[in-house]
Amino acid sequence: EVQLVESGGGLVQPGGSLRLSCEASGFTFTIYNMNWVRQAPGKGLEWVSYIGSSSSTIYYADSVKGRFTISRDNAKNSLYLQMNSLRAEDSAVYYCARVIIRGNHDAFDIWGQGTTVTVSS
Amino acid sequence: DIQMTQSPSSLSASVGDRVTITCRASQSISSYLNWYQQKPGKAPKLLIYAASSLESGVPSRFSGSGSGTDFTLTISSLRPEDFATYSCQQTYSSPLFTFGPGTKVEIK
Repeated sequence: EVQLVESGGGLVQPGGSLRLSCEASGFTFTIYNMNWVRQAPGKGLEWVSYIGSSSSTIYYADSVKGRFTISRDNAKNSLYLQMNSLRAEDSAVYYCARVIIRGNHDAFDIWGQGTTVTVSS
Repeated sequence: DIQMTQSPSSLSASVGDRVTITCRASQSISSYLNWYQQKPGKAPKLLIYAASSLESGVPSRFSGSGSGTDFTLTISSLRPEDFATYSCQQTYSSPLFTFGPGTKVEIK
């Protein structure tokens, strides 16, 4: 079964750090570009970060640039998000999502179940 | 940055109704537009990619249209399992992606 499973969420104080993980199975992780997407309570989806299949291309949303670091370990079929200097507004469900390319169009075809991050004192 | 808006933000409809949701981009994005369905507590599910291409396994009552800045998602005959939130996503500026704020489809 093709799936992504996130872990690492939890309660953290403002200014703290957290590392999210996303483990892939059922497909050849090494050839796919990956993303992190978050959703604050009652809000819409917000793209957070992208990493290419070989980690050579990395992008961040302005809202997290300089604080979050995306990485992957293809030998472990795993995607990571290191989150530092956390703020209350970073509280959200964080999803990892696989990019599929059809023609020259990207789409997020496989999503994890999400892991919840709460930033509060 | 490309901004995405959706209208309406929510709607009430009955089973069997035809439902149309609109998504607008702040600049032309050609056909680089996807639609997702999300049910409470669940991850989003890809419905439509490239503005009008149906993802494998998605029922044919779902359809997408549009290009440039204006796009629509249509559900031809609403079923009980279609009550959910629908979000558009632009991929024109890939890999800098943007989602719309979502449209919640509720039971009338």
